[in-house]
Amino acid sequence: DQQVKQNSPSLSVQEGRISILNCDYTNSMFDYFLWYKKYPAEGPTFLISISSIKDKNEDGRFTVFLNKSAKHLSLHIVPSQPGDSAVYFCAASFTGNQFYFGTGTSLTVIP
Amino acid sequence: ETGVTQTPRHLVMGMTNKKSLKCEQHLGHNAMYWYKQSAKKPLELMFVYNFKEQTENNSVPSRFSPECPNSSHLFLHLHTLQPEDSALYLCASSQHGPINEKLFFGSGTQLSVL
Repeated sequence: DQQVKQNSPSLSVQEGRISILNCDYTNSMFDYFLWYKKYPAEGPTFLISISSIKDKNEDGRFTVFLNKSAKHLSLHIVPSQPGDSAVYFCAASFTGNQFYFGTGTSLTVIP
Repeated sequence: ETGVTQTPRHLVMGMTNKKSLKCEQHLGHNAMYWYKQSAKKPLELMFVYNFKEQTENNSVPSRFSPECPNSSHLFLHLHTLQPEDSALYLCASSQHGPINEKLFFGSGTQLSVL
């Protein structure tokens, strides 16, 4: 059973607007969450992380929000740029355990 | 910053072949991982090595055999694979593992089993 779910396989956004990518998880023990970005023919690259002691973490145009009660994670990209077009994966873990990944959301930013 | 190199990038093999995937990390990390990514599925952890010792094997069939001669190199030996083993195989490393810290991935080997 998938413990981390990304229910939107794809998302299209106009350049300059906000992109919101969502992720849900089922295991309440998860205490560390990451977002990865993947371009075709490349491996995933780390984007941003958040610990369960926080509900928000920001890095430039990227902000991750964590709602522990809803077991929901979201990544906001603002403003969106064409170079942000990629597949985005969320992942979750708890100390001493492996990461569980979602299936990814393909983001297309339209110029 | 990748620092994790995988070879070959593409591999086509028959079901009776034996081949090996290679991974090298230049980050001074102590933990290395093999992941499998099949179409429309999440990344699946296959093996974990921490300080050259295998610490996890996620019920992977014996036709996949990992080898970690040192903290910088990781191999995945393949023999008598099945067509359903066709997938992207990703190597990753982390400073320590598995604890809550980010993974650094290689570009992967796209494997096709005929």
